[in-house]
Amino acid sequence: AQKITQTQPGMFVQEKEAVTLDCTYDTSDPSYGLFWYKQPSSGEMIFLIYQGSYDQQNATEGRYSLNFQKARKSANLVISASQLGDSAMYFCAMRALNSGYSTLTFGKGTMLLVSP
Amino acid sequence: GAGVSQSPSNKVTEKGKDVELRCDPISGHTALYWYRQRLGQGLEFLIYFQGNSAPDKSGLPSDRFSAERTGESVSTLTIQRTQQEDSAVYLCASSRQVNTEAFFGQGTRLTVV
Repeated sequence: AQKITQTQPGMFVQEKEAVTLDCTYDTSDPSYGLFWYKQPSSGEMIFLIYQGSYDQQNATEGRYSLNFQKARKSANLVISASQLGDSAMYFCAMRALNSGYSTLTFGKGTMLLVSP
Repeated sequence: GAGVSQSPSNKVTEKGKDVELRCDPISGHTALYWYRQRLGQGLEFLIYFQGNSAPDKSGLPSDRFSAERTGESVSTLTIQRTQQEDSAVYLCASSRQVNTEAFFGQGTRLTVV
C-alpha cells in the first residue's frame, strides 16, 4: 500500500522568499515516482515536478526543486522567489513503478498563500 | 484533442437520479484515473484503468458507483441513485507511462439537490 502525508494544512510566505512544502511517503515498492501538482482557485491540476526513486540528483524545474531524502522517505517541494501567482493548493503524489499496475496516490494537500 | 476532456463540465441532478460522467483521455495514454474532490478537500481515488487489465476499483465508495473503459479510449463513470453526499468535482486524468506525469481534465462539478 502507498501513503502520502502532507502535515502542513496551510503555509504563508512573503513574495520573493523561498518556501518549503513538506511531503513524506510510505511504500513497500523499491521503485517509485514522486510528483507535485499545483491547484489554483480555478481548480485545474497543474503538474510541477517529478522525482524517480533511483534518480541520482534532485529534480529541478525553474523555480521548483524537490528535496528528495530517500532514507527519510521525504520529498519536499521548494519554491524559490515566491510570486503572488504561486498562491494555490499543492499536492504531493506517488506511484510505484515496478508493478506496472499501480495507481497514483495523493496527499491531502497544503494551501500556500503568498503575500505582497 | 490535445488534453484530457471531460463532459459535462457541470451537472445538477435530483437526488435519486442516475448520472453519467465522461472522460476522453489523451490519445496513446494507457492509464486512466478517476478522482473525487469535495469542496476544500484533497483528491479521493475512485478507480484506475491500465491498458486492457482489470481495473483497480478499490476506491469506489459504494456499489452505486461504477466505471467502464473500452481499451485505451473513453471512460464513463456512472453514479446510480445519487445522494447529496455525492456532490463534488469529479476529476479524470491519464498518463502515458508509470514514470510520467498524469494530465488532468477540467473536471465535472456534480451538484445533487
